[in-house]
Amino acid sequence: GAVVSQHPSWVICKSGTSVKIECRSLDFQATTMFWYRQFPKQSLMLMATSNEGSKATYEQGVEKDKFLINHASLTLSTLTVTSAHPEDSSFYICSVGEGEAFFGQGTRLTVV
Amino acid sequence: GESVGLHLPTLSVQEGDNSIINCAYSNSASDYFIWYKQESGKGPQFIIDIRSNMDKRQGQRVTVLLNKTVKHLSLQIAATQPGDSAVYFCAETGGSYIPTFGRGTSLIVHP
Repeated sequence: GAVVSQHPSWVICKSGTSVKIECRSLDFQATTMFWYRQFPKQSLMLMATSNEGSKATYEQGVEKDKFLINHASLTLSTLTVTSAHPEDSSFYICSVGEGEAFFGQGTRLTVV
Repeated sequence: GESVGLHLPTLSVQEGDNSIINCAYSNSASDYFIWYKQESGKGPQFIIDIRSNMDKRQGQRVTVLLNKTVKHLSLQIAATQPGDSAVYFCAETGGSYIPTFGRGTSLIVHP
């Protein structure tokens, strides 16, 4: 299966700042990547589909201006949480592959 | 296990026992189902999958059963080990091929 690497694994930031999370597909050229958010003891919720060379597709209720997604190459997608607030604290996970998805190790974001 | 609210249902078993984790899905158009294992602080890891034209599939120590009539999926783990302790999610895909995740079940294996 595909190997997916996320960076950083965890990050702590102050309210009002922006944080960028990287998702790299190490051995698979991905025209689409997927970003999920997971709150403690809950399931994964799809936030958006990242499309290489075009705009991301956001799920209903996800603010596109707050969660900026860039997919500039077939191996890299980035998620930037802008003007972060404590309620944005969560576990963010990316994946590649449709059907059988391969996930990164996740990024724990804590906004203080 | 079943649950209400947002809390994960929990299944506690003794090491060596067989575990059965259940999942109900709602989309009758779903044609591909996957079980994932998620250890604390990590991303989900693929365990086993099954397509809708099958009702059973076996892997190493794991078996997935699919009952399309009642839209029910189960994961059976034989001879459960402490390393199996994790949260298990079922996921379904339909025409979009983007997996939709179920609530998840926390499996706790006691040595």
